[in-house]
Amino acid sequence: DGGITQSPKYLFRKEGQNVTLSCEQNLNHDAMYWYRQDPGQGLRLIYYSQIVNDFQKGDIAEGYSVSREKKESFPLTVTSAQKNPTAFYLCASSIVAGYSGNTIYFGEGSWLTVV
Amino acid sequence: SQELEQSPQSLIVQEGKNLTINCTSSKTLYGLYWYKQKYGEGLIFLMMLQKGGEEKSHEKITAKLDEKKQQSSLHITASQPSHAGIYLCGAASGGGADGLTFGKGTHLIIQP
Repeated sequence: DGGITQSPKYLFRKEGQNVTLSCEQNLNHDAMYWYRQDPGQGLRLIYYSQIVNDFQKGDIAEGYSVSREKKESFPLTVTSAQKNPTAFYLCASSIVAGYSGNTIYFGEGSWLTVV
Repeated sequence: SQELEQSPQSLIVQEGKNLTINCTSSKTLYGLYWYKQKYGEGLIFLMMLQKGGEEKSHEKITAKLDEKKQQSSLHITASQPSHAGIYLCGAASGGGADGLTFGKGTHLIIQP
C-alpha cells in the first residue's frame, strides 16, 4: 500500500539522550515535513525538505535535526538540546513543493515521552 | 506570519444534528485545507479550497471558502458518531513550499 510510515509509534527518551524518529514514504513525493503537536497548540512546523539533500528550518527547529539523503526518507533527530521534547510528532509529504494547491498527506504519528 | 483562528474550540452535538466549524485567517488564503484527526493518530485529508466562493462536499461534509478568501466553514449535516474527532484547518502560504500553518483544532463530540 502507498503511504507514509512513521516509526516507532511510541518512544521513551531519557534526559540527555538523542533519539531519531523515522519517516518513510513510497508516494514518490518530493516534499516532506515534520510537525510537532502539543495539546491546545495545534501543529507547528519543525523542518521541511523540498528535495533530496536540501531542508529548511520551520518555526520551531531549535533542538532538532534532520537529513534527506533519499527521496523516500526524512528522519528527525530530537537532540538533548530540545528542552521540552515530550509531544506527538507527525511526518507529512506532498508531491511537489512551491505550489499551494498540493495536498499534504500525513503519517500516523509518533509519541515521544521523556522519562 | 499567517494565523488561523478556529471556532468553536470544542463542540458537543446530539447525533443527527447539523453543525458548523469556522476557520478565520488574518491574511488572504491561497489554499485552505481541512483535516480530521482521531486523538493520537495521523491527519486525514478532507478537502482543499482555493478559489473565493468555492464550495466542496464529500458525503455529509461541506466546506466553503468566502469570496474574500479569509474565512472558511465546515458544515456537517445529520451528524453521526463517526464524525467525532478533531477538525483542523490548515493554510498554505503564497508559495506553499513551507508546508501549512494550522489552527488549534475543534474537538467534536457526538452524543447518541
